[in-house]
Amino acid sequence: AQRVTQPEKLLSVFKGAPVELKCNYSYSGSPELFWYVQYSRQRLQLLLRHISRESIKGFTADLNKGETSFHLKKPFAQEEDSAMYYCALKYTSGSRLTFGEGTQLTVNP
Amino acid sequence: DGGITQSPKYLFRKEGQNVTLSCEQNLNHDAMYWYRQDPGQGLRLIYYSQIVNDFQKGDIAEGYSVSREKKESFPLTVTSAQKNPTAFYLCASNPTSGGGIRSYNEQFFGPGTRLTVL
Repeated sequence: AQRVTQPEKLLSVFKGAPVELKCNYSYSGSPELFWYVQYSRQRLQLLLRHISRESIKGFTADLNKGETSFHLKKPFAQEEDSAMYYCALKYTSGSRLTFGEGTQLTVNP
Repeated sequence: DGGITQSPKYLFRKEGQNVTLSCEQNLNHDAMYWYRQDPGQGLRLIYYSQIVNDFQKGDIAEGYSVSREKKESFPLTVTSAQKNPTAFYLCASNPTSGGGIRSYNEQFFGPGTRLTVL
């Protein structure tokens, strides 16, 4: 069965510090993974997807099939990065997603 | 701020009453979804629909019902059988890419409805 795990419910860092939000998955097929973000009083929105191998707002995420992980990283956190972050795994057929429990990131000044 | 809308923003109901949450999209998306968001539990899929007049149960469908009579609308009814209905409900949509085909499609989310059952 598909499963996404985000082990940290809460993560707090200082501005300028590196940040890493962990995501592990279990899936027997070829995974397609995403990070979604929800800023305060805003809609949940896509941050990045592993297929695109993109960097968005300074964030990157590398798919590690050996460790079944898709951790989100940013070398220098900013206060505006404070938000709830969700890792998501797409089913092979259709467009259904399985979401992790979410990590609330707080970047302190 | 169009795209996908949900109404109302806040909803209060008495225990034992059914209530219907609205979700509308003007993005011409085929697929629509209903999620429930609870603190510490992430987003859990209630129901989804890949095409008009068809829908499937998600992971926590018990106590909920949906319909998909029009492409742009996917209302969710929270019935009295749902044991813990107080939650934040999110609707989403995306264009479908076909079964088994890797896609770049993202899900677009509505602003949510906070349901409180008294």
